[in-house]
Amino acid sequence: AQSVTQPDIHITVSEGASLELRCNYSYGATPYLFWYVQSPGQGLQLLLKYFSGDTLVQGIKGFEAEFKRSQSSFNLRKPSVHWSDAAEYFCAVGAPGGGNKLTFGTGTQLKVEL
Amino acid sequence: NAGVTQTPKFRILKIGQSMTLQCTQDMNHNYMYWYRQDPGMGLKLIYYSVGAGITDKGEVPNGYNVSRSTTEDFPLRLELAAPSQTSVYFCASSYSGQINYGYTFGSGTRLTVV
Repeated sequence: AQSVTQPDIHITVSEGASLELRCNYSYGATPYLFWYVQSPGQGLQLLLKYFSGDTLVQGIKGFEAEFKRSQSSFNLRKPSVHWSDAAEYFCAVGAPGGGNKLTFGTGTQLKVEL
Repeated sequence: NAGVTQTPKFRILKIGQSMTLQCTQDMNHNYMYWYRQDPGMGLKLIYYSVGAGITDKGEVPNGYNVSRSTTEDFPLRLELAAPSQTSVYFCASSYSGQINYGYTFGSGTRLTVV
């Protein structure tokens, strides 16, 4: 069975500082990996995804993530955080077939200090 | 293009009451999903459907029922509401056989059972 661990429940960074949110997954084959962002009171929006090819993927809003098979990780990064990035971030893993179900991590709440 | 529409946005139920959470998508997606989100728990899959007339249980189906009579609609039914069903419910949809696209989420229904 697939699973996702997001070890950081809360992270606080200063505006303009760099950001890295951690995500570790468990899956037997090459996983399909996603990062979603949820602003307060909103649904989830897809930031970026990885399923093959270049292990460094670019997403919306200046975010990127790197797939590292040896570490079973898919960490999300941003070089300079903006106050509007304050939100909850979810990592998810999926596999084709069987309904294409995604398994989500427990989320990381990002606070941005001005 | 409205995407995934959920109604209502908020609802308070008394213990033992029943209700239906509505979900409609206009993207002609075959696959649809219901998740619940609880603080610190991430998203848990309740039910999913891979097409009209086909539904299957997810990780936490107890206390819920679904139906899929059309491609567009995937309502979630709560019978005999319990306080443990207080949660935020998200409906999502995706292209069939295209897990690499990820999901499109609705904006959620916040349900309180008192």
